[in-house]
Amino acid sequence: GENVEQHPSTLSVQEGDSAVIKCTYSDSASNYFPWYKQELGKGPQLIIDIRSNVGEKKDQRIAVTLNKTAKHFSLHITETQPEDSAVYFCAASKGGSARQLTFGSGTQLTVLP
Amino acid sequence: NAGVTQTPKFRVLKTGQSMTLLCAQDMNHEYMYWYRQDPGMGLRLIHYSVGEGTTAKGEVPDGYNVSRLKKQNFLLGLESAAPSQTSVYFCASSNRLAGVTGELFFGEGSRLTVL
Repeated sequence: GENVEQHPSTLSVQEGDSAVIKCTYSDSASNYFPWYKQELGKGPQLIIDIRSNVGEKKDQRIAVTLNKTAKHFSLHITETQPEDSAVYFCAASKGGSARQLTFGSGTQLTVLP
Repeated sequence: NAGVTQTPKFRVLKTGQSMTLLCAQDMNHEYMYWYRQDPGMGLRLIHYSVGEGTTAKGEVPDGYNVSRLKKQNFLLGLESAAPSQTSVYFCASSNRLAGVTGELFFGEGSRLTVL
């Protein structure tokens, strides 16, 4: 089955700096890669996603890049703010089945004021 | 707009006891899921449902049962709780299959401790 590895497990940045979280996946058939943000005491919430036919996608201060050849994808957050502090999860899926969405282990991002 | 609601939010059980977690969604979603979240392991799918009256096993189904008698509700049952089932449980729903650009909408979680 699919295996998704996520790094780093914890990340601290100064407010205004950029943060990058990286994930690798094992199944070359995976074609959908969402990112979820989990704030303290809340459930995860989708913040951005990308399909395998696109190399990069941006939404304001967040962007995701995908390298299909290397089988890795990354989340980039620019101009970080304290409200960006949360746990971020990457995931990968081949699509077509609920059981085929595999999550990474999560990254605790802390933005220091 | 409540979204996905889980009850209870906290529960402490003794080994061998049984309990049921209730998930309710008001978005008329076809698909519902139960995940468990453990430190360093991300979210792992326990069971899911693609419609009323249907259920299927996920990655870690052992020790759990589910039922989807009504479209808006998805119940997760533990018949004989074990300490290994200490975890935070999340219910989610989507209007498409997760992974086919089907955004998952999560509840706020239920923290279960088995002593």
